[in-house]
Amino acid sequence: GAVVSQHPSRVICKSGTSVKIECRSLDFQATTMFWYRQFPKKSLMLMATSNEGSKATYEQGVEKDKFLINHASLTLSTLTVTSAHPEDSSFYICSARRGVNTEAFFGQGTRLTVV
Amino acid sequence: EDQVTQSPEALRLQEGESSSLNCSYTVSGLRGLFWYRQDPGKGPEFLFTLYSAGEEKEKERLKATLTKKESFLHITAPKPEDSATYLCAVQGTQGGSEKLVFGKGTKLTVNP
Repeated sequence: GAVVSQHPSRVICKSGTSVKIECRSLDFQATTMFWYRQFPKKSLMLMATSNEGSKATYEQGVEKDKFLINHASLTLSTLTVTSAHPEDSSFYICSARRGVNTEAFFGQGTRLTVV
Repeated sequence: EDQVTQSPEALRLQEGESSSLNCSYTVSGLRGLFWYRQDPGKGPEFLFTLYSAGEEKEKERLKATLTKKESFLHITAPKPEDSATYLCAVQGTQGGSEKLVFGKGTKLTVNP
């Protein structure tokens, strides 16, 4: 199966600082990458969809200036949480897919804690 | 709007006790239905993709089936290591959308 690597797996940051999460497809080129947020015992909440070389499409209610997404290449997307607050603490997960009608493969997730 | 409903929310089985998980969906046009397994604190692991009604796929103790309204994930003679949350997702054709719509999942616990 295809491998998606997400880094870091855990991060603790202070309120007001920014933190960057990386998502890499290791053995395939990802035309599309997705970023999700997951609350305890809840399902995945899609934050945004990104295609290589173009601006990300954010879901309603997701602040694009707070959650900056860059899809610089076919194997790398980054999510930057800017001016983090404790309410941004959550489990963030990325996924990547080769093409429109193919399955999406997920990273290991990043546990963000803002103190 | 595409919707996915999974049932039951939680299921406890004894080792060897077969059962099925349900995923009911409404979608404008189905591009694909996906099953994932998620362990606590980890990202979902891909299991199956189903594209059309009548399609079936198997992997070890798991078998996924699809109709026009729902999908089932059958678990035959489960083992404790099958304990996880199983997620169902659909991708529709509305508006050229690429995104997956997920259900809330079924948390499966298999007791030894």
